[in-house]
Amino acid sequence: GAGVSQSPSNKVTEKGKDVELRCDPISGHTALYWYRQSLGQGLEFLIYFQGNSAPDKSGLPSDRFSAERTGGSVSTLTIQRTQQEDSAVYLCASSFATGAGNTIYFGEGSWLTVV
Amino acid sequence: RKEVEQDPGPFNVPEGATVAFNCTYSNSASQSFFWYRQDCRKEPKLLMSVYSSGNEDGRFTAQLNRASQYISLLIRDSKLSDSATYLCVPYPGGSYIPTFGRGTSLIVHP
Repeated sequence: GAGVSQSPSNKVTEKGKDVELRCDPISGHTALYWYRQSLGQGLEFLIYFQGNSAPDKSGLPSDRFSAERTGGSVSTLTIQRTQQEDSAVYLCASSFATGAGNTIYFGEGSWLTVV
Repeated sequence: RKEVEQDPGPFNVPEGATVAFNCTYSNSASQSFFWYRQDCRKEPKLLMSVYSSGNEDGRFTAQLNRASQYISLLIRDSKLSDSATYLCVPYPGGSYIPTFGRGTSLIVHP
């Protein structure tokens, strides 16, 4: 596609339920990032995928969070047993390659509300 | 010291004004820098890339001071549509993950 596509755009879920957020990066982009942003806060790095390499999971806040990337393209971020503090916008981004100088492009985000 | 520090603002300026933001970074090995703008409830979008001492694009000028480890963004002739949060993003050397600051909020009023 022309840009990074994320779904759902909005999700309201009950505390304790599992949610899956999907990201379809720009075609040809090998690097994929997940960030989250709580209201009024900065972007918090969650996880990074590059090609077939093992992902960098250093930003995942707890073991309730996991992500996978199938076939080097689409990625799914899963949050198990959601908590109210998980409410945020989850932003996916991709870039053509990695390293300094590679612009990353963001999707419009998945707005998650845990009630 | 935080990896990226920005004055959160908000900076309130009238249309036509010139405004400048500074961003300090802690990793001296940072090789390249980006300024993103983020509108309310929208995703960040690239405004400008800086690979050497600076860059200029129309009303926007970015300047890099490696010795003092800061990068600035200057906006001339501010427009109402410039109202947004401006995010400074250094690309740390040896890392593949860009670091985002909290940003500086700009409000341009009539």
